[in-house]
Amino acid sequence: GGIITQTPKFLIGQEGQKLTLKCQQNFNHDTMYWYRQDSGKGLRLIYYSITENDLQKGDLSEGYDASREKKSSFSLTVTSAQKNEMAVFLCASRLGVNQDTQYFGPGTRLLVL
Amino acid sequence: GQQVQQSPTSLVLQEGENAELQCNFSTSLNSMQWFYQRPGGSLISVFYNPSGTKQSGRLTSTTVIKERRSSLHISSSQITDSGTYLCAMGPSNMGYKLTFGTGTSLLVDP
Repeated sequence: GGIITQTPKFLIGQEGQKLTLKCQQNFNHDTMYWYRQDSGKGLRLIYYSITENDLQKGDLSEGYDASREKKSSFSLTVTSAQKNEMAVFLCASRLGVNQDTQYFGPGTRLLVL
Repeated sequence: GQQVQQSPTSLVLQEGENAELQCNFSTSLNSMQWFYQRPGGSLISVFYNPSGTKQSGRLTSTTVIKERRSSLHISSSQITDSGTYLCAMGPSNMGYKLTFGTGTSLLVDP
């Protein structure tokens, strides 16, 4: 088995601030993902990475940067937090690229004042 | 792009009743997964089922590729089954990129 950890669990930021979310997995999975979950809108893919140092934009990449420093970690940066923004950011990982189960971390809950 | 439609949007059952949740896709797929999420919780994989039928306890998933649909059947529902069920599919040409439905919110009353 394995686990995905996300830090911090809760993040309160100010408008315009740069905020970084971190994700670690010990599954030894190749592929990692960042999703944003908003109430009533399901999950939307922000960035994914199929191997160390690889980055691929998802459907919602504008306003975000990502970094895959090593195989086990994947970071997401909100480049400029938007006022009153409230969302959950979910990190996930998967062994391969195509046909495997995707596992999720517990999430980081963001609130921008 | 690919679309995923889930139905119903919400469902209320009496404990012991059965439930059938549906997921329809706009494109052909090679990856399909069902997830469960409690309010405020993360996503837990229920089934990875790109084709055919899989069963685990009271849960059964059936994916019919030709008809571009997948279903999740819950038999003899329990209060602890309450939560949101999400389906996600990866298209044949980009399996790594899962697209999620907006979920079915299930409430099981005693």
